[in-house]
Amino acid sequence: GAVVSQHPSRVICKSGTSVKIECRSLDFQATTMFWYRQFPKQSLMLMATSNEGSKATYEQGVEKDKFLINHASLTLSTLTVTSAHPEDSSFYICSARGRGQSEAFFGQGTRLTVV
Amino acid sequence: AQKITQTQPGMFVQEKEAVTLDCTYDTSDPSYGLFWYKQPSSGEMIFLIYQGSYDQQNATEGRYSLNFQKARKSANLVISASQLGDSAMYFCAMRNQGGKLIFGQGTELSVKP
Repeated sequence: GAVVSQHPSRVICKSGTSVKIECRSLDFQATTMFWYRQFPKQSLMLMATSNEGSKATYEQGVEKDKFLINHASLTLSTLTVTSAHPEDSSFYICSARGRGQSEAFFGQGTRLTVV
Repeated sequence: AQKITQTQPGMFVQEKEAVTLDCTYDTSDPSYGLFWYKQPSSGEMIFLIYQGSYDQQNATEGRYSLNFQKARKSANLVISASQLGDSAMYFCAMRNQGGKLIFGQGTELSVKP
């Protein structure tokens, strides 16, 4: 199957700082990328959908100024958590889908801890 | 509104036996896709099986099969010959015509030796 690489896998940052998470499709061109957030023992909640070269579409209740998403190329999307607070601590995971693909492939996820 | 429901927060199964994980969905889209993913404690999402809404036959992938009952709007996952390594969270998901993947609440499966 297709490979999606997410980096970093774990990050600890201080309150008030920003953190960037990268999601790369290694062997296919990802026309669409999705960003999810998952709290412990809960489901994945879709945060936003991004198509290459256009602005991300955010789900209701997700602050676009806080969670900046960039999908500048067909192989890379980034999620930046700005001015992070302890309540932003969570597991963030991306998925990517190429043109004509029925399934989306997931990155390994990033466990963010804000202290 | 589109919704995926998994009513079993946790399930136990004896090693080598089969287990069924329930999933029901609600959508008004005529075309949709149904997925099952496995999430071990490491957090990665592992794709298991896919069923398209127009597929006539139930999907199968090795020890995984999807019991698709369109009229009942259910897409249960059957795992045959359970192995200890099958212990994980299992998520049912639906992709709508807009391309978004919506997940159920998940079922935590524990395989007993």
